[in-house]
Amino acid sequence: GDSVTQMEGPVTLSEEAFLTINCTYTATGYPSLFWYVQYPGEGLQLLLKATKADDKGSNKGFEATYRKETTSFHLEKGSVQVSDSAVYFCALSEGSGGSNYKLTFGKGTLLTVNP
Amino acid sequence: DGGITQSPKYLFRKEGQNVTLSCEQNLNHDAMYWYRQDPGQGLRLIYYSQIVNDFQKGDIAEGYSVSREKKESFPLTVTSAQKNPTAFYLCASSKQLVAEAFFGQGTRLTVV
Repeated sequence: GDSVTQMEGPVTLSEEAFLTINCTYTATGYPSLFWYVQYPGEGLQLLLKATKADDKGSNKGFEATYRKETTSFHLEKGSVQVSDSAVYFCALSEGSGGSNYKLTFGKGTLLTVNP
Repeated sequence: DGGITQSPKYLFRKEGQNVTLSCEQNLNHDAMYWYRQDPGQGLRLIYYSQIVNDFQKGDIAEGYSVSREKKESFPLTVTSAQKNPTAFYLCASSKQLVAEAFFGQGTRLTVV
């Protein structure tokens, strides 16, 4: 079945540091890929998405590129801020050709940014 | 503003009692979902619904029940058969099953 593996946290960085959170996936079809962010005590918010190979999703300084050859969708940001402290989830959703009608999530990576 | 509303935010239940979590959306989305979140385990799908009066079991449906009588509403009942119900419950919706999902703020259920 489908699965998502993302780097385990917690990740602790200083403000303005470079961020990478690794995400790899296994899927039978041609999935769409997503990064969600969860702030303490809240639900998940969509951060960015990519629907086909070589697409780059970007939002709020974050970006991730859909790499079919390495089945990866790593999240990056050039300069993190304290306000970026949150849990980040990588997820996939099968395309219309698949039978897996749900979002499959990784376990989440806790990011803490110190001033 | 369009969105998904979950209520209540915090809920306490005694062992052996059923409890219903509310989820309402005004995004005109067809698909709705319930996820359970436990520390270190990510999100696991409980039930999902593609259309009114239809729903399907997810990965961990045992001890839960749902209904979808209206497009806007997808309540989740945690029954006494659920052996470990203390968790954070998230409701979500999407335009269709394979589109990105929009989440509510969650309900934290504690069994006392």
